[in-house]
Amino acid sequence: GENVEQHPSTLSVQEGDSAVIKCTYSDSASNYFPWYKQELGKRPQLIIDIRSNVGEKKDQRIAVTLNKTAKHFSLHITETQPEDSTVYFCAAPGANAGKSTFGDGTTLTVKP
Amino acid sequence: DTAVSQTPKYLVTQMGNDKSIKCEQNLGHDTMYWYKQDSKKFLKIMFSYNNKELIINETVPNRFSPKSPDKAHLNLHINSLELGDSAVYFCASSSRDRGSPLHFGNGTRLTVT
Repeated sequence: GENVEQHPSTLSVQEGDSAVIKCTYSDSASNYFPWYKQELGKRPQLIIDIRSNVGEKKDQRIAVTLNKTAKHFSLHITETQPEDSTVYFCAAPGANAGKSTFGDGTTLTVKP
Repeated sequence: DTAVSQTPKYLVTQMGNDKSIKCEQNLGHDTMYWYKQDSKKFLKIMFSYNNKELIINETVPNRFSPKSPDKAHLNLHINSLELGDSAVYFCASSSRDRGSPLHFGNGTRLTVT
């Protein structure tokens, strides 16, 4: 099955700096790579995703890059704000529809 | 309107009891899931159903029994609750396509004492 590793587990940056979170996956059949954020006490919510036929996708201050050869994808947040402080998860579906494997999460802290 | 709704939001019970969590989605999705989030915040898939048919069962103890009466509902029944079952359980749904995001419910915080 799919194995997803996410690094770092915690990340602290100064407001205005960039933050990068990286995930590696094992199953070359994975073709869809979403990122979710989870506020404290809330449900995970999709913030951005990328499909395997695309190398990069941007949405305002958030971007995701995909390297299929190396089997890794990264979340980039630019001009970070204290409100970006929360937990971020990556996921990959593997070969089976109906099974999204999540990384272990990254707690991002943006210091004002 | 809540897209994925699950009840109850909180569940406190004693060891050995049996409890159920209900989930409903109004997104027209074909696939529904149960995920468990433990105290370390790891999200682990337990089950997934497609059009009422079980497609994924991730080595979950057979004390956990999901039931899907129709593709919009997926309930989770837990027998003989144990302390280690304490966690937040999230229901989610997506379209069948592997390239589709998950839509999560608000979670059920289960505490077993």
